[in-house]
Formats: sequence, C-alpha cells, structure tokens
Amino acid sequence: KAGVTQTPRYLIKTRGQQVTLSCSPISGHRSVSWYQQTPGQGLQFLFEYFSETQRNKGNFPGRFSGRQFSNSRSEMNVSTLELGDSALYLCASSNPSGVNTEAFFGQGTRLTVV
Amino acid sequence: AQKVTQAQTEISVVEKEDVTLDCVYETRDTTYYLFWYKQPPSGELVFLIRRNSFDEQNEISGRYSWNFQKSTSSFNFTITASQVVDSAVYFCALSEVGESSGDKLTFGTGTRLAVRP
Repeated sequence: KAGVTQTPRYLIKTRGQQVTLSCSPISGHRSVSWYQQTPGQGLQFLFEYFSETQRNKGNFPGRFSGRQFSNSRSEMNVSTLELGDSALYLCASSNPSGVNTEAFFGQGTRLTVV
Repeated sequence: AQKVTQAQTEISVVEKEDVTLDCVYETRDTTYYLFWYKQPPSGELVFLIRRNSFDEQNEISGRYSWNFQKSTSSFNFTITASQVVDSAVYFCALSEVGESSGDKLTFGTGTRLAVRP
C-alpha cells in the first residue's frame, strides 16, 4: 500500500510569490492534515480536510489556504511568500473509520523562500 | 489550551544503553489521545504509538516501552538496548477527541536522540 506522497520534495521561491504544494493520501483515507515545521516554532498545525471540507484550522494568517478534492488529494497554497515561510511542510492522512486515529505522514516539501 | 513539553532537547547515549524520553502534557479535556512519532533524517514522521486517556496500561513493543501516568500528566518513552538506527528526533503529541476537533495534533518540541556506536 503506497504511503502519503507529497510533491514537490524541494522548492525555492522568491519573496512575494505564491506556491502550491500537493499531497496524495493513503488510498481510502479521507482526512488530510497539514503541518509546518520550522526550527524556531517546531511542528504547528495548519489545517485539516475531511471529505472536501475544512474541519479544523490552526492559527495561521489567511495567506495560507488549502483545499481537498473528491479523490481526497489535497493542496495547500501560500500567497505573498515571506522569508519566514521557509519550512518543511508535512502532510498526514488518517483512516476514515474513526477520529483521532494515527496519522501517517509524507516526507514533506521543503520550501525555501529567498 | 493544550500543551506538550519535552524538556530534553538532545540526548546522547552509547549503543546498548537504555534511554527514556520524557513527555509532559497539559489539557483541560478529560478525554484525549497521546502519540509518539519518530522523525529520521529523511523527514517523514513515523507513527510509534497511540494511547487514549482512559488506558493507563503500560505498553511494550520489542525494545520500546511507554509509561502513561495520568496523575502526573506524563507519557514517557523508553528504548531498551538502544541501537544506532534509533538515532532520530522523537516527538510526543496530543489530540482532542471528537468529530469537530478532527485530527489536530499538538506536538512537543521534540527530543533529538543520538546513539553512538
């Protein structure tokens, strides 16, 4: 069974640009969560999507947005990039049969903003 | 608000030593879940264990064991006879319960474990 796939793995963008990251969950999983990992702030929850609806949202500015498609694939978008957005962005998917089940993470997209 | 504290930033041990990683959490909820994840250099978080707040039984899985004590709000992780392959960053995490809360995890800051040969 394939794991969580995130693309691209690495990305370099210029301040002010926008970026879209993609996450394909494990087959059958309908919950997809996104996290930002930085050396200073650690792992922080961005948002979670379940059956194409945002079910939970972290404390991030509106520049960070996401969506989920009918096949459960998810994208997150960051507009007007700032240097502080440089981070490892991790996506996780969870079993749809219940809540608070273990989340399976992808290898992440490392975003560098210059 | 929920909070997870991993006071040990880095631990270095020699192979075959036992090592315990500490995790202390804060939550107002009476029902919650606790997790441990391992992050190797490749970056992905690898699930190790999930424990709900009603289950205080300790768990052992091979060289890994977990001690959950609700009275002290701690969920400590012990690796017995450590190996070089155990070198990674380990995260403790907490989640609320319920459909509306979704699968949001609150992570600690992680403990970097280095196992020397």
